[in-house]
Amino acid sequence: EDQVTQSPEALRLQEGESSSLNCSYTVSGLRGLFWYRQDPGKGPEFLFTLYSAGEEKEKERLKATLTKKESFLHITAPKPEDSATYLCAVHRNKLIFGTGTRLQVFP
Amino acid sequence: NAGVTQTPKFRILKIGQSMTLQCTQDMNHNYMYWYRQDPGMGLKLIYYSVGAGITDKGEVPNGYNVSRSTTEDFPLRLELAAPSQTSVYFCATLDFPGTGEITEAFFGQGTRLTVV
Repeated sequence: EDQVTQSPEALRLQEGESSSLNCSYTVSGLRGLFWYRQDPGKGPEFLFTLYSAGEEKEKERLKATLTKKESFLHITAPKPEDSATYLCAVHRNKLIFGTGTRLQVFP
Repeated sequence: NAGVTQTPKFRILKIGQSMTLQCTQDMNHNYMYWYRQDPGMGLKLIYYSVGAGITDKGEVPNGYNVSRSTTEDFPLRLELAAPSQTSVYFCATLDFPGTGEITEAFFGQGTRLTVV
């Protein structure tokens, strides 16, 4: 059965303190792994799609990487506006989401 | 180009009532999905479709039904609403051409449903 597990569940960082979020998955025949950001009361906002092991993508302070079993979302020198829930999802016909990591960045 | 449109945005149902949540897309995407999101939780897949006339169950299908008679529309039907179905419902679409890469899954704005 396809599974997606995100860790940690919650993360508190001081502004400028870099860290990484983990998304591990068990899916055979992965077609793509997505990262989304979600603010309270809003729908998911697209960040990245990764397709194959070894791939990396960057956007501002965020960098996503992919291996055969997991993906990392690295946040470099975060700011308070990066506070949100970060979701990963894997696609193989179904699109299955993890439970998310709630990130809080305080000044 | 409206993308993914969900209606209604808000709804209050009484226990035992039925309703249909509408999802329409104008991007000609084959893949469509329905999710529910309970407070503080992730997105749980209810049903999905890989094309017109084809639907399949997701992680939490009980109490729901879907149909996909056209590429554009993917309505979600709630029969005999229960308080446990109080949630925010999201519809999403995805284009997987078979060759080449998927870009992203596009989401509707969500429907906030309360069952009392």
